[in-house]
Amino acid sequence: GESVGLHLPTLSVQEGDNSIINCAYSNSASDYFIWYKQESGKGPQFIIDIRSNMDKRQGQRVTVLLNKTVKHLSLQIAATQPGDSAVYFCAENEDNQGGKLIFGQGTELSVKP
Amino acid sequence: DAGVIQSPRHEVTEMGQEVTLRCKPISGHDYLFWYRQTMMRGLELLIYFNNNVPIDDSGMPEDRFSAKMPNASFSTLKIQPSEPRDSAVYFCASSLALNGEAFFGQGTRLTVV
Repeated sequence: GESVGLHLPTLSVQEGDNSIINCAYSNSASDYFIWYKQESGKGPQFIIDIRSNMDKRQGQRVTVLLNKTVKHLSLQIAATQPGDSAVYFCAENEDNQGGKLIFGQGTELSVKP
Repeated sequence: DAGVIQSPRHEVTEMGQEVTLRCKPISGHDYLFWYRQTMMRGLELLIYFNNNVPIDDSGMPEDRFSAKMPNASFSTLKIQPSEPRDSAVYFCASSLALNGEAFFGQGTRLTVV
């Protein structure tokens, strides 16, 4: 949904553990979803996307799961590394809104060595 | 390609002054987006262009904000007059098509004092 709030949810994990970052989206008509990673001082960087006709998609060390019934998206990062420390955003897009991506609040992932 | 290029990286200006932010999208991308990021509101879409034509400017906060795209390789976001509440990081992004990955620039950090 829309991004609001004074501070971000934080997830702290140990290096080598798996991380799961969750996102609830608001629009049941959304049919395209993207996860972005944003490191401090940089712009958001694409990680992985998924369309609504799928419920799972895998990349390198990352997996995105989509549950349309409860409008929930998750990003799983395997064997989390210190370089994964960043803020992670989910974004949704409804086809008839053209290129308009709506970003979620973001979750700050902190990886402890 | 060097990616989406924004300038300046940082801008500090006094209230009431005009501010112009610049963006060079990735060559061949038909869509260009301007986003604003603040702690309070997260990432908000301000306006986007398709083939140099503004498609949706519903996110532009008020008349003090204007955006242009005179050609496929250049866009500006102007704030006149600027106010302290405009302080934020402004991102430009471009994409090949609808419902596709958007590539973000490094952003311009604007501080209005």
